[in-house]
Amino acid sequence: DQQVKQNSPSLSVQEGRISILNCDYTNSMFDYFLWYKKYPAEGPTFLISISSIKDKNEDGRFTVFLNKSAKHLSLHIVPSQPGDSAVYFCAASELPDDMRFGAGTRLTVKP
Amino acid sequence: SQTIHQWPATLVQPVGSPLSLECTVEGTSNPNLYWYRQAAGRGLQLLFYSVGIGQISSEVPQNLSASRPQDRQFILSSKKLLLSDSGFYLCAWRPVPAEKLFFGSGTQLSVL
Repeated sequence: DQQVKQNSPSLSVQEGRISILNCDYTNSMFDYFLWYKKYPAEGPTFLISISSIKDKNEDGRFTVFLNKSAKHLSLHIVPSQPGDSAVYFCAASELPDDMRFGAGTRLTVKP
Repeated sequence: SQTIHQWPATLVQPVGSPLSLECTVEGTSNPNLYWYRQAAGRGLQLLFYSVGIGQISSEVPQNLSASRPQDRQFILSSKKLLLSDSGFYLCAWRPVPAEKLFFGSGTQLSVL
């Protein structure tokens, strides 16, 4: 039962352009959403999050949008940089205990 | 500051052998602890989580078990490994109350 879905396994964008990563979820009880970034052979690192009471959260080049009615969230990276190339995981949590992750999207930013 | 230690970084085990992966957290008390697995080409699958000593929630019936003998120690075990147990195992902790998970550096397990 995959409660968090990332339907795009990969995304390739040009340096300087916008990267948009998408995520859908099925559990309406999720109240907190996060994005993690992961490099090979390393643990994921926290990138940005959003509470279910908000629809947008911005941190520098990263913005997360939440559409609760559609059960959809997205991560925008503007402008994209080659160092952003990694696997991005969407996560959702029904506080205070569990956290579910999507399958990940591999982002490649080309110079 | 809080830190999480996970070892070993790499492990090669024959099919049918036992497994013990250990994870410890420093600098905090009564954290929530988690074991995830990333299989080749797949996402992060939640295996077990614990909200306290001796309290384990299992998400996926499988060949693995978890134990929390101390507040900041979380152990992943198997009596007999299968080929399908190969993957990248991640321990994580979460301060309570808080929203973020913090991950260890992971263990790459290859079962041959």
